[in-house]
Amino acid sequence: DAMVIQNPRYQVTQFGKPVTLSCSQTLNHNVMYWYQQKSSQAPKLLFHYYDKDFNNEADTPDNFQSRRPNTSFCFLDIRSPGLGDAAMYLCATSRQVSYEQYFGPGTRLTVT
Amino acid sequence: AQKVTQAQTEISVVEKEDVTLDCVYETRDTTYYLFWYKQPPSGELVFLIRRNSFDEQNEISGRYSWNFQKSTSSFNFTITASQVVDSAVYFCALVEHGSGNTGKLIFGQGTTLQVKP
Repeated sequence: DAMVIQNPRYQVTQFGKPVTLSCSQTLNHNVMYWYQQKSSQAPKLLFHYYDKDFNNEADTPDNFQSRRPNTSFCFLDIRSPGLGDAAMYLCATSRQVSYEQYFGPGTRLTVT
Repeated sequence: AQKVTQAQTEISVVEKEDVTLDCVYETRDTTYYLFWYKQPPSGELVFLIRRNSFDEQNEISGRYSWNFQKSTSSFNFTITASQVVDSAVYFCALVEHGSGNTGKLIFGQGTTLQVKP
């Protein structure tokens, strides 16, 4: 049974049109992470939540926002997607920081 | 500064061969955690192993084994009798206990393993 679920698996959006990606987990983990992965690169951390505490990476563009309304769900909002934001977006959860992270299948975002 | 280096960009082997994926890390922290993840073509990162800096015991799990050596700052991964299903990108990663302890994974560049039948 899937433990970290991401919807949709594929998302196409237009340049400048806001888009929201969702992640849910059945593990009841405290920490949720969002990563961006471009082709042939390692995943890059955008931000994470420890419970309700939001932690933004210093180099994450302002265009990217996140919400975590409850333990199970976390959303990634891209306010004005550019062509450079086309990538795979991976959600991960962890019981505590420094513990292993469990990843969802990812959402592949295309910007036209 | 923290860094993870996977010097092998691509490795190609024939099924049933043994293969070792190298990982070298840099950190100033005395407490840290090392990980290996597998990313098959489907895209999902699959957790394989976590090691803390105080546990240098080697680990074996089926055909997989890991060799952690603090003296050389290496955490190498060996697949014995490789199979086609092992074809994937493998990432080595580091989490430092300090630096606010965010749990941020510092990834290596990844090694693409192709196992041919």
